[in-house]
Order: sequence, then C-alpha cells, then structure tokens
Amino acid sequence: AQRVTQPEKLLSVFKGAPVELKCNYSYSGSPELFWYVQYSRQRLQLLLRHISRESIKGFTADLNKGETSFHLKKPFAQEEDSAMYYCALSKSPGNTGKLIFGQGTTLQVKP
Amino acid sequence: DVKVTQSSRYLVKRTGEKVFLECVQDMDHENMFWYRQDPGLGLRLIYFSYDVKMKEKGDIPEGYSVSREKKERFSLILESASTNQTSMYLCASKTGGTGELFFGEGSRLTVL
Repeated sequence: AQRVTQPEKLLSVFKGAPVELKCNYSYSGSPELFWYVQYSRQRLQLLLRHISRESIKGFTADLNKGETSFHLKKPFAQEEDSAMYYCALSKSPGNTGKLIFGQGTTLQVKP
Repeated sequence: DVKVTQSSRYLVKRTGEKVFLECVQDMDHENMFWYRQDPGLGLRLIYFSYDVKMKEKGDIPEGYSVSREKKERFSLILESASTNQTSMYLCASKTGGTGELFFGEGSRLTVL
C-alpha cells in the first residue's frame, strides 16, 4: 500500500540547532516526493521536491530509496522556520497533484 | 501570482444540511483538487478534476460530490452533512503534469 509516515508529531529545537524532520514512505514504483509547509495563518505551500535537488530556505531533502526515506534537514534552525511540515508522495507519475500526505510534523524553534 | 480563493473561511451547519464549498482559481489551471485536513491524519484527497465536467474520486469520496462547470471553479458538495465531516477543507489547483500544487486558505466546516 502507498503510505507516508512522519513519526514525529512535534519537533522542538533551539535556534541555531540542526533540524531533521523524518519522512518514510511505502511505494512500489519510482517515487516522486515533496515537502509542503504551512506557516501560521498562511496557506500550505510547496517547500521542495526531490527531483529538483535544490535547497530552499536552507532546507535540503535527499531521497534514500534503500531506506525509503525523504528526511528534511537544515543545519541551523531559525525562529521563522516554525511551521507545520508535511511530507507527500505522488500517487501518479506525471500528475503531482494526487498526493498522499504524511500526518505532519510541527516544528517549533525556540529563541 | 497564483490565487486560489475559497469563498467561505468558516461555516457552521447542522446535521443533514446540504453544504456547498466553493473554490475559484485565476491561473487557468487544468487540475483542481479538494483535500480534507485533520490533525494527526494530514491531508487526504477527496476528489479531483482534470478538466471541465471531468472528475475522479480520491481516497475518501464517500459523502461528497463535486461540480466543475467552468474551468476556474470547483465546488465540493456535502449532500447531507454529518458530524464526522467537521474538518478543514483545502482546495488546490495546478497545471498539468508535474507542476506544484497551489492551495487556498481553507474552509473550516463545523457540523453540529
């Protein structure tokens, strides 16, 4: 079955500390994976996707097919990174709107 | 800048009422989606539409229907609202293929 798991409901770190938000997936084909973010009082928006292999706002995510993981990392957390983060998997190759989302992880960055 | 607008931010309805949630996008996107967002469950796809008058069920379509008469507008309909449909509903749109999803601000529905 296709599934995305984010094991942490809440991750709390101090400003300047490294951050890793975990995401594991279950998918039989070649996955297309994304991280979406929702800041307080803002709409959900795309943070990054694995095919772009880019760093956005200092965040990176590497697809590890062996471990079926797509963890989101940032070396030094900032207070403005506090938000809800969702990992998502595309159900249909070539149509990346049909997504399976994880449960979400709230990142809290303390001053 | 893509704009996805959900007409109602907050609604309170009674069990058994018919509920319409409206969504409009201004970027001529072919694809539109309705997701439901619940704490601890993330987002789940209810329905999507890849063209006018075309629709496809998502993962949790039971109790819902949709309408897409014009390209820019996608409506979610709860024929007979129930308390377990109390939730945040998110509309999204995108171009075809591998474009990103653009979300609306959400409609928080409470069914009493």
